Amino acid sequence: EAGVAQSPRYKIIEKRQSVAFWCNPISGHATLYWYQQILGQGPKLLIQFQNNGVVDDSQLPKDRFSAERLKGVDSTLKIQPAKLEDSAVYLCASRPGRNHPKNIQYFGAGTRLSVL
Amino acid sequence: QKEVEQNSGPLSVPEGAIASLNCTYSDRGSQSFFWYRQYSGKSPELIMSIYSNGDKEDGRFTAQLNKASQYVSLLIRDSQPSDSATYLCAVGPQGGSEKLVFGKGTKLTVNP
Repeated sequence: EAGVAQSPRYKIIEKRQSVAFWCNPISGHATLYWYQQILGQGPKLLIQFQNNGVVDDSQLPKDRFSAERLKGVDSTLKIQPAKLEDSAVYLCASRPGRNHPKNIQYFGAGTRLSVL
Repeated sequence: QKEVEQNSGPLSVPEGAIASLNCTYSDRGSQSFFWYRQYSGKSPELIMSIYSNGDKEDGRFTAQLNKASQYVSLLIRDSQPSDSATYLCAVGPQGGSEKLVFGKGTKLTVNP
């Protein structure tokens, strides 16, 4: 079974520029998460999708961050404009569903963003 | 604000020793508890989940949960250098891992 795919792996941009990250979850997984992990911290949830609907985006800085999951499969996370404090690893995770015997979150390799 | 607290370490143990990692959480309604291992520059990998009070063993790993004390721990027996990583405690609501709150992680180093 293929894992959660993310791209790009690394991105370096200057502040005020825009950037987008892509995530392809494990096939059949209904729930998709985007996390931000700042160096030395644990992952912080930004947004949770159930199929193509948003379940929780309470910690998403909506003035600059946006995310979508069209067709309930792939997802993109965008930052516009980026700030220095956005430098972090952006992790995507997916989860099968409540009735699945292994209802746990599986993480992708992440995208490491450096804002200069 | 739901919080998960871990000692950030670093925790250093000799090879073959028992490593003990601790975690406390603030939300009394939490029902699911997870330990993730994260190697430097890699993504978190689930190593243990626990839902009921008591101990759960899987190979060299034992998770312990005490909901009354809002405390969960991970013991690693016969520690190996390959266990050197950051261990993240994650806490979730009833029903599984729908929305997890992570601690900052404890960095473990196992010295040969």
